[in-house]
Amino acid sequence: GENVEQHPSTLSVQEGDSAVIKCTYSDSASNYFPWYKQELGKRPQLIIDIRSNVGEKKDQRIAVTLNKTAKHFSLHITETQPEDSAVYFCAALGSYIPTFGRGTSLIVHP
Amino acid sequence: DVKVTQSSRYLVKRTGEKVFLECVQDMDHENMFWYRQDPGLGLRLIYFSYDVKMKEKGDIPEGYSVSREKKERFSLILESASTNQTSMYLCASSLGGGLEQYFGPGTRLTVT
Repeated sequence: GENVEQHPSTLSVQEGDSAVIKCTYSDSASNYFPWYKQELGKRPQLIIDIRSNVGEKKDQRIAVTLNKTAKHFSLHITETQPEDSAVYFCAALGSYIPTFGRGTSLIVHP
Repeated sequence: DVKVTQSSRYLVKRTGEKVFLECVQDMDHENMFWYRQDPGLGLRLIYFSYDVKMKEKGDIPEGYSVSREKKERFSLILESASTNQTSMYLCASSLGGGLEQYFGPGTRLTVT
């Protein structure tokens, strides 16, 4: 089955800095890669996703890049703000069932 | 907006009790999922259903069963609760394969 590794497990940055979270996957059949944000005490919510026919996707301050050859994808957050503090999960899907990474706790210090 | 609701936010049960967790979605989604969330372990899939009365085991199905009698409702059952099942349980739904999942608010279950 699919295996998704996510790093780092904790990331601490100053407000205004950039943050990068990386994930690797094992199944070359995976073709959909979503990222979810979970604020403290709340449910995970999709913030951005990318499909295998695209190398990069951007939405305001967040972007995701995908390298299918190397089987890794990354989340980039620029100009971080305190409200970006949350746990971020990556996932990889080939069909119905997503496999999630273990999560990255991002802390943005004012 | 898609709405996924769970029957309880917090639940305290005793060892050996039978526990029912219910999840309801209002967007006619085909797929429904039950996850368990533990610190440092991320989201682990317990069971998955892609249609009424259809179910598939996830990564950690031991000690759990599920029921999907209606499209909008997916129930997780702990036949005999144990302390190692103390956790946050998240339900999710999606319209189809390879599409966004919508999560419920979670049920924090404590088994004493």
